[in-house]
Amino acid sequence: NAGVMQNPRHLVRRRGQEARLRCSPMKGHSHVYWYRQLPEEGLKFMVYLQKENIIDESGMPKERFSAEFPKEGPSILRIQQVVRGDSAAYFCASSPGGTPRGNTIYFGEGSWLTVV
Amino acid sequence: GQNIDQPTEMTATEGAIVQINCTYQTSGFNGLFWYQQHAGEAPTFLSYNVLDGLEEKGRFSSFLSRSKGYSYLLLKELQMKDSASYLCAVIGGSGNTGKLIFGQGTTLQVKP
Repeated sequence: NAGVMQNPRHLVRRRGQEARLRCSPMKGHSHVYWYRQLPEEGLKFMVYLQKENIIDESGMPKERFSAEFPKEGPSILRIQQVVRGDSAAYFCASSPGGTPRGNTIYFGEGSWLTVV
Repeated sequence: GQNIDQPTEMTATEGAIVQINCTYQTSGFNGLFWYQQHAGEAPTFLSYNVLDGLEEKGRFSSFLSRSKGYSYLLLKELQMKDSASYLCAVIGGSGNTGKLIFGQGTTLQVKP
C-alpha cells in the first residue's frame, strides 16, 4: 500500500538514544493511529491523533513516549532514552474519519526499531 | 476490560479448508476485521463484518455472531502462500473512531 508512508523502515539505536518515527497518512485522511508489535505478539494500540490533537493515548507508556500530528507535515512518534524492550515494529494506520466501514483503514509498511 | 482471543497456532494441508476462530469481549461493537500478516510485513485487509452472518470473498469467508461475541475466518483451497498470521480486530467503544483492538494473532502453517 503506497498510501501510508512510514520512515525509516529500519532504525537501530543504542540504549539511551532517541528514536523518531514518521508517518504520512494516505491523502485525504486526517486520522492517524500508531500500533506497536513486539516480537511474536499481536498489534497493540498506542495512540490516535487527528491534526494537531491527540484524541486517545490510552495505549501509550506514561514515560519516554510521545506523539504529535502537526498541522503541516507527518505524524511523529518519539521515544526518548530507548531501552531494549522498545525493540519492536511500529505501524501507523490512517483513516478518513468517522467509524470505518470495510477496507478504509490503511496500514503503512512499518518501522522496525532495534535497540542495541 | 476488552479481550480478543484466537488460537496461537494452526496447521493445515495444502488444498484443505481451515477455520480460524475469534471470540471477543469489548465495551461496544462497531465492526470486526480480519487481517493477514506475513512475517516482516504490514497487515493487509481481508474482511469486515458488522452485521451477523457470512461474508464471502473468493477463497476467504468471514462469519460474525454479535450475540455470541464470535467470529471465524474460513480459508478454502489452501495454498502455500496462505502461511501467515491472521489477526482478528474489533472496533469497540461508541464509534466514530478507527481504533482497532487486536487479538494476538493466529499463525497458520500450510503443509504440502
